[in-house]
Amino acid sequence: AQSVTQPDIHITVSEGASLELRCNYSYGATPYLFWYVQSPGQGLQLLLKYFSGDTLVQGIKGFEAEFKRSQSSFNLRKPSVHWSDAAEYFCAVESGGGADGLTFGKGTHLIIQP
Amino acid sequence: DSGVTQTPKHLITATGQRVTLRCSPRSGDLSVYWYQQSLDQGLQFLIQYYNGEERAKGNILERFSAQQFPDLHSELNLSSLELGDSALYFCASSVDTAGAVQNEQFFGPGTRLTVL
Repeated sequence: AQSVTQPDIHITVSEGASLELRCNYSYGATPYLFWYVQSPGQGLQLLLKYFSGDTLVQGIKGFEAEFKRSQSSFNLRKPSVHWSDAAEYFCAVESGGGADGLTFGKGTHLIIQP
Repeated sequence: DSGVTQTPKHLITATGQRVTLRCSPRSGDLSVYWYQQSLDQGLQFLIQYYNGEERAKGNILERFSAQQFPDLHSELNLSSLELGDSALYFCASSVDTAGAVQNEQFFGPGTRLTVL
């Protein structure tokens, strides 16, 4: 069965500093990978996705992620965070074809220090 | 705004009761997914419907059931409620055209269920 691990439950970053959120997955074939963000009291918004091709994926709000098959990782990065980036971030994997649900990690809570 | 709507936003009920959560997918989306988000279990996939038919099952309890109607809206029925069923329930939808692999799921705002 597929699984997703987000090793960091909380991360605190100063405003303007760079950010990297870690995600490791376990899946037998090439996975479909996603990063979602959830602001307090809100639903989930897709930041970016990887299906195939270029392993560096650009998303919304200045985020990017890199798929590394050898490390089974899909880490999310942002060069300079803003206070509005404070939220819960979820990495997710899907087996593909739209015929299954997403398997989510436990999430990383991002705190932005002024 | 994702285009997915869910009602009600909040629901408070007692143990042993039954509730129905409703979801309207984005216009044109054929697939509806239900997820449960709780503090101890995190975000879990419950069930998927595609064009009225059940397509995939996740960690859905036998006390829970869902259906998708001809107009493509979906309902999640939760019965014999327990304290542990208190959670945020999300609906998501995707286009899910035949043969497509890039099916992004769009999430609704969720229904917060509190069982007292």
